[in-house]
Amino acid sequence: AQSVTQLGSHVSVSEGALVLLRCNYSSSVPPYLFWYVQYPNQGLQLLLKYTSAATLVKGINGFEAEFKKSEPSFHLTKPSAHMSDAAEYCCAVSSYNDYKLSFGAGTTVTVRA
Amino acid sequence: SAVISQKPSRDICQRGTSLTIQCQVDSQVTMMFWYRQQPGQSLTLIATANQGSEATYESGFVIDKFPISRPNLTFSTLTVSNMSPEDSSIYLCSVDTGGNTEAFFGQGTRLTVV
Repeated sequence: AQSVTQLGSHVSVSEGALVLLRCNYSSSVPPYLFWYVQYPNQGLQLLLKYTSAATLVKGINGFEAEFKKSEPSFHLTKPSAHMSDAAEYCCAVSSYNDYKLSFGAGTTVTVRA
Repeated sequence: SAVISQKPSRDICQRGTSLTIQCQVDSQVTMMFWYRQQPGQSLTLIATANQGSEATYESGFVIDKFPISRPNLTFSTLTVSNMSPEDSSIYLCSVDTGGNTEAFFGQGTRLTVV
């Protein structure tokens, strides 16, 4: 069984500030980990993924996430927020032998000018 | 990659009626999925739509309530039957083309039951 916990349903950051979105998960098998983003009036799209290669994963739009097996976590960061980063971000987990995705509840990010 | 067209994008329905949601993919895919996102909740998998056989439902979801069709490798429908206000959710179609490493999603159907 797999579960995903995202801390904070809403995060507000100033433009240029660090964006940090937390994702903790539980999985009984080695996980595949994903961050998806949904911009206003658009569908979910993949931001980045971890599939057992490098633990620090770089995604689109300057985002990156680090897989930490010891915690276990897959927190998402971006050094400097931009207004266009305002969106909903969802962490998800699956595994090599299961196509099903288990999602966290999502975090809505707003960016203040 | 895959482009998914989902229809309708939104609807307001009377309780007791049914709504069928369509999902069209621009390429042949093996794995198609239907998810639901209730207000304030996580995206939750309803079922896997299997081509040529019955859908595989997750715990808590049944075929009588959510019948699914998958007539070919590019198309699927999900019906929400005998709707109640508790069925008000966003319903999403998803496909996996990357060997379990990348899922693509439709833009969703926002359903309100009154």
